[in-house]
Amino acid sequence: TQLLEQSPQFLSIQEGENLTVYCNSSSVFSSLQWYRQEPGEGPVLLVTVVTGGEVKKLKRLTFQFGDARKDSSLHITAAQPGDTGLYLCAGDSGGSNYKLTFGKGTLLTVNP
Amino acid sequence: NAGVTQTPKFRILKIGQSMTLQCTQDMNHNYMYWYRQDPGMGLKLIYYSVGAGITDKGEVPNGYNVSRSTTEDFPLRLELAAPSQTSVYFCASSSTGTGYTEAFFGQGTRLTVV
Repeated sequence: TQLLEQSPQFLSIQEGENLTVYCNSSSVFSSLQWYRQEPGEGPVLLVTVVTGGEVKKLKRLTFQFGDARKDSSLHITAAQPGDTGLYLCAGDSGGSNYKLTFGKGTLLTVNP
Repeated sequence: NAGVTQTPKFRILKIGQSMTLQCTQDMNHNYMYWYRQDPGMGLKLIYYSVGAGITDKGEVPNGYNVSRSTTEDFPLRLELAAPSQTSVYFCASSSTGTGYTEAFFGQGTRLTVV
C-alpha cells in the first residue's frame, strides 16, 4: 500500500507570512497533485507535477516535485486569509491503475 | 458547466436503513470514484469504475455497493447503515487524456447514521 505523509497536520499563521507544507512517501509516483478543500466543499485541483525536480508556480504558490518523484512541497508566499483551507496531496502510481492515493492533509489557517 | 453533481447534500439515516447516494458527471470522463472523508483521515477510496459496466473495490468497500450502467452516473448504495458509515462522501471523475489522473470532485454528501 502506497502512503503519503503530509506535514504539518495543522498550521496557523498571520497574514503576510510565508509557509511550506510537505508531502512525503517511500513510493515513486508518476505524477503528484495538490488540491485545496474549503469547508463544506469538495477538493479542487491546484496543480499536477509530473517530472522529477519540476517546479510550478501559481501566483503566490510554488509547487516542487522531488527529483526521485517520491515527495513534493507547497510553498506559499505572503499568505492571505483566502488561502485558508485543507491542502491535500495525491499521488498517481501510473500504469493502468488510474487511482489516486491521498495524504491526510494540512489544515492551514491564515489569520488577518 | 455542472461538472460532478452529488445528491443529497445532507442525510440522516437510522441504523439498518438503506439509501443511495447519487452522482452524475457531464464531462464524459471514463473514470469515476467514491471516497469517504473522516476528520483527520484524508480521503479513503470506497469503489471506482473505469467505464460503464466495470467497477472495482477500493480500500474500504465493506457495507457499500456500486453500479455503472452509463458513463454519466455512478450511484453508491448503502445497505444496512451503521454508525461507522457516518462520514462525508465525495464522488469524483477523471479523464486520463493527459496520461495521468486528475480528479474533479462533487460537493459531497454529509451522512449521519444514528
